[in-house]
Amino acid sequence: AQSVTQPDIHITVSEGASLELRCNYSYGATPYLFWYVQSPGQGLQLLLKYFSGDTLVQGIKGFEAEFKRSQSSFNLRKPSVHWSDAAEYFCAVGAKGFQKLVFGTGTRLLVSP
Amino acid sequence: ETGVTQTPRHLVMGMTNKKSLKCEQHLGHNAMYWYKQSAKKPLELMFVYNFKEQTENNSVPSRFSPECPNSSHLFLHLHTLQPEDSALYLCASSQDPTGGGSYEQYFGPGTRLTVT
Repeated sequence: AQSVTQPDIHITVSEGASLELRCNYSYGATPYLFWYVQSPGQGLQLLLKYFSGDTLVQGIKGFEAEFKRSQSSFNLRKPSVHWSDAAEYFCAVGAKGFQKLVFGTGTRLLVSP
Repeated sequence: ETGVTQTPRHLVMGMTNKKSLKCEQHLGHNAMYWYKQSAKKPLELMFVYNFKEQTENNSVPSRFSPECPNSSHLFLHLHTLQPEDSALYLCASSQDPTGGGSYEQYFGPGTRLTVT
């Protein structure tokens, strides 16, 4: 069965500093991986996705993520965080032929001035 | 702008009430989903519809009754709910990935439900 672990419940980053949010997945075959962001009172917005090919994927809002098969990870990064990036971030895993996505429990990002 | 709308955005209902949540997608997708998001819990998939047919029911109590009259609209009918049903209910849509479509799901803003 697929599973996703986001080990950090909360992260605080200073505005302008770099960010890395961790995501580890468990799945036997090649996973399909996603990062979503949720602002307070809103639904989830897709930031980026990985299906195959280049393991470094670019997304919206200046985010990128790197798929590392050897570490079963798909960490999200941003070189310089803006106050508007404060939100909750969810990693999700899917698989070819399966419609369901399995979501992690989320990481809440706080941005300090 | 996600292309998926949900109404109402907020709902307070008593345990004996009957209400419905509505979701509409404007993306031309053929799969729709209901999720429940509770504090400190992972997102829980409730129902999946493909081409108006229910293909997944994750052991959801019968007090939640989904309806999908066409590929663009999805309803969640609620009756005799419990306080623990208070949560954010999210609707999502996608292409049917099993038919060669894409796997990413697009979410609406959710309905914040409070059961008193």
